[in-house]
Amino acid sequence: TQLLEQSPQFLSIQEGENLTVYCNSSSVFSSLQWYRQEPGEGPVLLVTVVTGGEVKKLKRLTFQFGDARKDSSLHITAAQPGDTGLYLCAGVVDSGGGADGLTFGKGTHLIIQP
Amino acid sequence: GAGVSQTPSNKVTEKGKYVELRCDPISGHTALYWYRQSLGQGPEFLIYFQGTGAADDSGLPNDRFFAVRPEGSVSTLKIQRTERGDSAVYLCASSSAGIPYNEQFFGPGTRLTVL
Repeated sequence: TQLLEQSPQFLSIQEGENLTVYCNSSSVFSSLQWYRQEPGEGPVLLVTVVTGGEVKKLKRLTFQFGDARKDSSLHITAAQPGDTGLYLCAGVVDSGGGADGLTFGKGTHLIIQP
Repeated sequence: GAGVSQTPSNKVTEKGKYVELRCDPISGHTALYWYRQSLGQGPEFLIYFQGTGAADDSGLPNDRFFAVRPEGSVSTLKIQRTERGDSAVYLCASSSAGIPYNEQFFGPGTRLTVL
């Protein structure tokens, strides 16, 4: 059973279109992070969301954390070919413990066609 | 001031052999994490070090996998009697108590292929 479910798994759209990627769980997370990974490289952190209902913007990317801190979404406006990559959500389950390893979703493979 | 480095970048070995993968974290980072990423999947947590000690090794799949961090800096992931199913990219990440929300910085990974 995957603790973090990401959808869609694959998405190919034209440059200039908008898209939303979802990250859902039945567990509560103390924080959720979004990473972007390119082939042959490690994931690179985009943003961390901490507070339920929080919205963060990073240029054309908008990240939202669900009110119950169980889900998150990433919305990209006017996608560019440079946005192509694997988008991963990851988090630490809110168990009151210490800095344990991150739990990752399977990722969304995004391709933006010029 | 470099990021996390991992060596080798690629490792090809035969089934049954022993391999060591090295991770050099960002200088000063006390926390070090190992993850495994299979093709088409997200990274899967293996083990977490705080300083020299393994604070959480619950992600290690079996006793063929072992990791050390003797000086609290460089870490080595060791895999004995490798199996074809061990083929994956092994990622290392580091962090520090001063960094909020467990934000981790990843290396480029070591791609392990077991023939």
